[in-house]
Amino acid sequence: DQQVKQNSPSLSVQEGRISILNCDYTNSMFDYFLWYKKYPAEGPTFLISISSIKDKNEDGRFTVFLNKSAKHLSLHIVPSQPGDSAVYFCAASEVSGNQFYFGTGTSLTVIP
Amino acid sequence: DADVTQTPRNRITKTGKRIMLECSQTKGHDRMYWYRQDPGLGLRLIYYSFDVKDINKGEISDGYSVSRQAQAKFSLSLESAIPNQTALYFCATSDSGGREGEAFFGQGTRLTVV
Repeated sequence: DQQVKQNSPSLSVQEGRISILNCDYTNSMFDYFLWYKKYPAEGPTFLISISSIKDKNEDGRFTVFLNKSAKHLSLHIVPSQPGDSAVYFCAASEVSGNQFYFGTGTSLTVIP
Repeated sequence: DADVTQTPRNRITKTGKRIMLECSQTKGHDRMYWYRQDPGLGLRLIYYSFDVKDINKGEISDGYSVSRQAQAKFSLSLESAIPNQTALYFCATSDSGGREGEAFFGQGTRLTVV
């Protein structure tokens, strides 16, 4: 069973607006979470992370929110730019875990 | 030049053949990983290695083996390829002293087993 789920395969947003990508997980032992971005024909690249001791982490236009009670995290991109069009993967690992479990990805299209 | 290089980039092979995918890195990282990506399933970890003498099974290691020939080289072998191993394979590296969870991926190897 998929321990990390991204239920929206795709999302379209107008340039300048907010993009919100969602991720749910089932394993309550997960305590560290990541977002990766992937362009076609390239490998994923690290975007932002958050540990369970926080509920928010911000890096420029990217903010990740964590709601541990709901086992839910989200990535906000404000403002969205056409160059943000990519597939976004969330991932999670357990306390002192050695591997990350990835979601299935959400394809974001930012329309100019 | 890419920091993490995978060869070949594309490969078509027949069922039952042995095939090796190679990965080399110039980042000086100690940790290396092999993932596969399938439509609708995301990225899944096959094997990982935290140093030259360390090999660990990931989520889906059956049907695969790996070799860490040097700190910079980590190869993935399919002993007897089967069609459901058709996928996009990624090698990745990370630094044990770096930002937790931050891995650097190669461009991927698209493998088709017919």
